[in-house]
Amino acid sequence: DAGVIQSPRHEVTEMGQEVTLRCKPISGHDYLFWYRQTMMRGLELLIYFNNNVPIDDSGMPEDRFSAKMPNASFSTLKIQPSEPRDSAVYFCASRPPRTSAEAFFGQGTRLTVV
Amino acid sequence: TQLLEQSPQFLSIQEGENLTVYCNSSSVFSSLQWYRQEPGEGPVLLVTVVTGGEVKKLKRLTFQFGDARKDSSLHITAAQPGDTGLYLCAGARTNAGKSTFGDGTTLTVKP
Repeated sequence: DAGVIQSPRHEVTEMGQEVTLRCKPISGHDYLFWYRQTMMRGLELLIYFNNNVPIDDSGMPEDRFSAKMPNASFSTLKIQPSEPRDSAVYFCASRPPRTSAEAFFGQGTRLTVV
Repeated sequence: TQLLEQSPQFLSIQEGENLTVYCNSSSVFSSLQWYRQEPGEGPVLLVTVVTGGEVKKLKRLTFQFGDARKDSSLHITAAQPGDTGLYLCAGARTNAGKSTFGDGTTLTVKP
């Protein structure tokens, strides 16, 4: 299996622009998580899905952030409009069914908002 | 909100030394995971512990889950430069749902 695939790997955008991050989970996994990692706050859970349904979005910082999972093999995290404080590494992770909360992470998208 | 505290935050040692890092909480977890993250990469799962008092070994790494399932430790014997990285622990209250991550221990092993 190719693992969790995220794109792009790096994104530099200007403040106010819309940013869309993409994730392809491992086939057969039924949980998908979006995390954000910064030096100051560590690894924060933004939102997670189970069987394509959003379960908990309490970690989404503001209404500027939205996430979708239209099918079992694709998810997006959108920031509109983006702000410099959104600069971070965003990770997508997936989990197979009937396991002990183990997660498999993608390589992340490094977002820089200038 | 459950909180996982990891210590030490930073650790720099010479190749061949032994070390232990800790992951502590006041919450009980159904399972706890350890991950290692290298620069520019995502965290990679090392181990899952689920039973209080459980000990698991992965080559030179020994993981222990506390009897009360509130804490865990990772011991590395004869550390090597390849062990350098950020070590993260994560706990889940149930197997269905989210995990909480600690802030990590950044380990540097000098040759």
